[in-house]
Amino acid sequence: DTAVSQTPKYLVTQMGNDKSIKCEQNLGHDTMYWYKQDSKKFLKIMFSYNNKELIINETVPNRFSPKSPDKAHLNLHINSLELGDSAVYFCASSQDGIYNYGYTFGSGTRLTVV
Amino acid sequence: GDSVTQMEGPVTLSEEAFLTINCTYTATGYPSLFWYVQYPGEGLQLLLKATKADDKGSNKGFEATYRKETTSFHLEKGSVQVSDSAVYFCALKFGNEKLTFGTGTRLTIIP
Repeated sequence: DTAVSQTPKYLVTQMGNDKSIKCEQNLGHDTMYWYKQDSKKFLKIMFSYNNKELIINETVPNRFSPKSPDKAHLNLHINSLELGDSAVYFCASSQDGIYNYGYTFGSGTRLTVV
Repeated sequence: GDSVTQMEGPVTLSEEAFLTINCTYTATGYPSLFWYVQYPGEGLQLLLKATKADDKGSNKGFEATYRKETTSFHLEKGSVQVSDSAVYFCALKFGNEKLTFGTGTRLTIIP
């Protein structure tokens, strides 16, 4: 039973399209995250939600909009896709109050914009 | 702000060689420290962690010791295997704040 699952695993789309990536966690964690990993493997946090409330919103174009319908789900919608959006996007979750606990990551969604 | 500096890669070693990947951090206070590993085509997995000074994290033959004096958390393994080929990330976190990653170090082990 996958702890943090993302769909789709691969996404190829044309510039200007709108797409969504879905994430679900079955760990009962309170907080979920979206990270972007570029071609050099650098990881940058984009958003964080705690119990459906946005708590981290890094400098990300407003074409990116996260949505959390409940604390087990955090989706990422991207409008007007650009070539520079090509990357691997990782969803992760963590449990509040356990300070020495890291994050549990999904297996990633590789987005290619052509 | 808080940051993590990792040894630049890529690192290429022969099987059974000794591995060290350096990691130092800059932070106000004493964060929890982590090493994550990313195998090809997969997500990040927690490899080991340490929460206070002098703690040693260990897993799968890898070790790292939290050194407050040198603000370091270097990853070591005595004898690497081809299956250890991956990208390794050092990271820090304060409480419930975000996990801050280093830039990652790609490790390739040659048979």
